[in-house]
Amino acid sequence: EIVMTQSPATLSVSPGERATLSCRASQSVNSNLAWYQQKPGQAPRLLIYGASTRAAGVPARFSGSGSGTEFTLTISSLQSEDFAVYYCQQYNNWLAWTFGQGTKVEIK
Amino acid sequence: QVQLLQSGSEVKKPGSSVRVSCKASGGSFNSYAITWVRQASGQGLEWMGGIIPNFGTANYAQKFQGKVTITADKSTNIVYMELSSLRSDDTAIYYCASAETSVSWIASWGQGTLVTVSS
Repeated sequence: EIVMTQSPATLSVSPGERATLSCRASQSVNSNLAWYQQKPGQAPRLLIYGASTRAAGVPARFSGSGSGTEFTLTISSLQSEDFAVYYCQQYNNWLAWTFGQGTKVEIK
Repeated sequence: QVQLLQSGSEVKKPGSSVRVSCKASGGSFNSYAITWVRQASGQGLEWMGGIIPNFGTANYAQKFQGKVTITADKSTNIVYMELSSLRSDDTAIYYCASAETSVSWIASWGQGTLVTVSS
């Protein structure tokens, strides 16, 4: 089973600042990586797939990069609605997917 | 894009089983991968397993082998997730979610079903 490790667990950022979230895979997942945003009481929402492609309707301030085992989600200028928990997920193996433990982005 | 509608909340006794349903509409149900994700209160997302209705065979995360059974009814576009030998730590929200293939991102999520295990 591929283990996904996210860091940091919590990120304190002021509105308007840049946020950088990391996700590491225990073995290569190629570019088969997605990022999701989850707000309290809601189902997760797809932000990025294929490591770097924004999903429909996702603002351009969200960007993803990386391949293999190291991935990054960057939020260029945090807005109030971006404070949430972010999860990475690998889908490289046929129906043997795993999520990272999440990074909470909170207001500094 | 497929829409997913899950069954309602459940309260179960320890040691019993629960079956949660997920009805798909608006997409090519048989070729999608329908998966289940668990989230305990204040915790992260945990992938449990999934099925492609066209193939019929489910895959499970190691942790859930022997604990969960996922089946699909192609005639009604419903996927079922049955969780057995319930314990208090199975109390969680259970989401069904869909992807276009078995090697694809999750594009749609159900609304979630709260399963509470309590004596």
